[in-house]
Amino acid sequence: SQTIHQWPATLVQPVGSPLSLECTVEGTSNPNLYWYRQAAGRGLQLLFYSVGIGQISSEVPQNLSASRPQDRQFILSSKKLLLSDSGFYLCAWSTGTSGSFGANVLTFGAGSRLTVL
Amino acid sequence: EDQVTQSPEALRLQEGESSSLNCSYTVSGLRGLFWYRQDPGKGPEFLFTLYSAGEEKEKERLKATLTKKESFLHITAPKPEDSATYLCAVRGNQGGKLIFGQGTELSVKP
Repeated sequence: SQTIHQWPATLVQPVGSPLSLECTVEGTSNPNLYWYRQAAGRGLQLLFYSVGIGQISSEVPQNLSASRPQDRQFILSSKKLLLSDSGFYLCAWSTGTSGSFGANVLTFGAGSRLTVL
Repeated sequence: EDQVTQSPEALRLQEGESSSLNCSYTVSGLRGLFWYRQDPGKGPEFLFTLYSAGEEKEKERLKATLTKKESFLHITAPKPEDSATYLCAVRGNQGGKLIFGQGTELSVKP
C-alpha cells in the first residue's frame, strides 16, 4: 500500500532563517506531488505541484521554492523566512493524469506546522 | 475562474441531530467534486468523489449528493466522533488542479 511521510511535524524558526520541509511517498512510482499551505486553520492554497523529477510548477509568487530531486521526494524550501510564511504545510500525492477519472484523488500527509517568530 | 464556497462556516449539532453541509461551485467543465474530512492538526482524509449531477455516495452516517451547481454532505444521526472540518474541492478542465473551499467546522455535542 502507498504511504506518504512528511517531516518535521512541527517547526519554530526565526525570521530570516532557512527552511526545508521534506515529503516522501512509498509504494507507487511517478506520482504527482503537491505542496499546499493552510492558513487560519481552513482553506488550502496550492503552492507547487510536480508531475515528474525536476518538473516544478509554481502557483503563487512567494518566498518559497520547491524541488523534486527524486521520483518520490518533494522538498519545500526557503532561503529567508518571513512572518507571513507561518502556517500548516501539507504535502499530497496523486496518480494518473487529469484525463483519468478516479485516478486523481489527493492523498495528504500529516502536515508540518511552521511558526515563524 | 473556478471557485468553491462552503456554508455554513461552522455548525454545532447535538448528537443525533441530522443536518447538511453545502458546497457551491463554479467550474469550467467539472471533472470531479471531492469531499475530505480534516481533524485538528492533521492532513485531510478523502471521503468521496462525485462526477455528475444526480450522483450520490454514502459512507456510514455520511451521504454526498451532487447537482450542477452544488453538493451537499448530509450527516444522519451524527456522533461526537463526526466532529471535524469538512472540505469540498473541485477539479475542472483547466489544468486539473483541485480548488478547495474554506471548509465547514462541524461540532457534535453528546
